[in-house]
Amino acid sequence: GENVEQHPSTLSVQEGDSAVIKCTYSDSASNYFPWYKQELGKGPQLIIDIRSNVGEKKDQRIAVTLNKTAKHFSLHITETQPEDSAVYFCAAISNFGNEKLTFGTGTRLTIIP
Amino acid sequence: DVKVTQSSRYLVKRTGEKVFLECVQDMDHENMFWYRQDPGLGLRLIYFSYDVKMKEKGDIPEGYSVSREKKERFSLILESASTNQTSMYLCASSFGTSASYEQYFGPGTRLTVT
Repeated sequence: GENVEQHPSTLSVQEGDSAVIKCTYSDSASNYFPWYKQELGKGPQLIIDIRSNVGEKKDQRIAVTLNKTAKHFSLHITETQPEDSAVYFCAAISNFGNEKLTFGTGTRLTIIP
Repeated sequence: DVKVTQSSRYLVKRTGEKVFLECVQDMDHENMFWYRQDPGLGLRLIYFSYDVKMKEKGDIPEGYSVSREKKERFSLILESASTNQTSMYLCASSFGTSASYEQYFGPGTRLTVT
């Protein structure tokens, strides 16, 4: 089955700086890679996703890059703000027949004012 | 807005009790999922359902069962709760089409088994 590794487990950045979270996956058949943000006391919420036919996708201050050859993808947050503090999860789908997501172990991002 | 609700935010049960966790979604989603979330382990899939009365095991189904009698409701059952089932339980739902794989999560139920 799919295995997704996520690093780092914790990350602290000064407000206004950039944050990068990296994930690797094992199944070369995987071709959908979402990122979820979990704020305190809430369930995870999708913030951006990318499919394997695309190398990069941006949405305002958030971007995701995908390297299929190396089997890794990354989340980039620029001009970080206090409301970016949360736990972020990457994930991958390797079996489109049942939409089973395999999640990474999460990154706790803290923005220092 | 899609809404996924879970019956309890916090639950305390004793070892050996039968525990029911209920999840309801209001967007007519085909797929529903149960995950448990533990520090350092991320979200692990327990069971999922892609249709009424249909279910498939996830990565950690041992000690759990599920029921989906109606499209909007998906229940997780702990037949005999044990202390190692103390965790945060998250329910999610999705449309079930290739156009969107987005999963919508409920707020979670923090279960403590003593």
